[in-house]
Amino acid sequence: AQSVTQLGSHVSVSEGALVLLRCNYSSSVPPYLFWYVQYPNQGLQLLLKYTSAATLVKGINGFEAEFKKSETSFHLTKPSAHMSDAAEYFCAVSAGNTPLVFGKGTRLSVIA
Amino acid sequence: GAGVSQSPSNKVTEKGKDVELRCDPISGHTALYWYRQRLGQGLEFLIYFQGNSAPDKSGLPSDRFSAERTGESVSTLTIQRTQQEDSAVYLCASRSAGGTYEQYFGPGTRLTVT
Repeated sequence: AQSVTQLGSHVSVSEGALVLLRCNYSSSVPPYLFWYVQYPNQGLQLLLKYTSAATLVKGINGFEAEFKKSETSFHLTKPSAHMSDAAEYFCAVSAGNTPLVFGKGTRLSVIA
Repeated sequence: GAGVSQSPSNKVTEKGKDVELRCDPISGHTALYWYRQRLGQGLEFLIYFQGNSAPDKSGLPSDRFSAERTGESVSTLTIQRTQQEDSAVYLCASRSAGGTYEQYFGPGTRLTVT
């Protein structure tokens, strides 16, 4: 069985500040991990993915995430927040070709 | 080609009516998934199609929900005798056979049951 926990349903940062969105997973098999972003009234857009290659994964819009097996974590970071980063972020896990199991999401607000 | 498309984008229906939601996956994608997103919630898996294999229906919440897929193309999700708790955004995603297992999502259908 797989599960995802996203710590913090709402995170607020100042423009230009570090963004850190936390994700911990549980998986009985080697996991594939994903971060998706959802802007209001839109579908989900893939930010980045971990698929057992490099543990530090770079994605779109300056985001990156590090897979830490010992901590069962896959936290999402961005060095400097932009106003356009305000959105809902979802962490998800799968075993490859299985359905994604999502966390409950973290809403990111960026303050000018 | 184009991304995943879904129709309608919005659907308002009366309690007890049946609804059909449509998903057009990315051309060539063999896998297709349906998810439900209730207000303020994460996404719940509903059903998964992979090629010609029997679909994985383990996420369907009741027998009022069903889905079909024609080959490796269009899929329809049908909800019979809709209830107010069915109000949600229904998202469809597709995935290619190879690659690194990422799923590509459509814009969703917002269903409101009054």
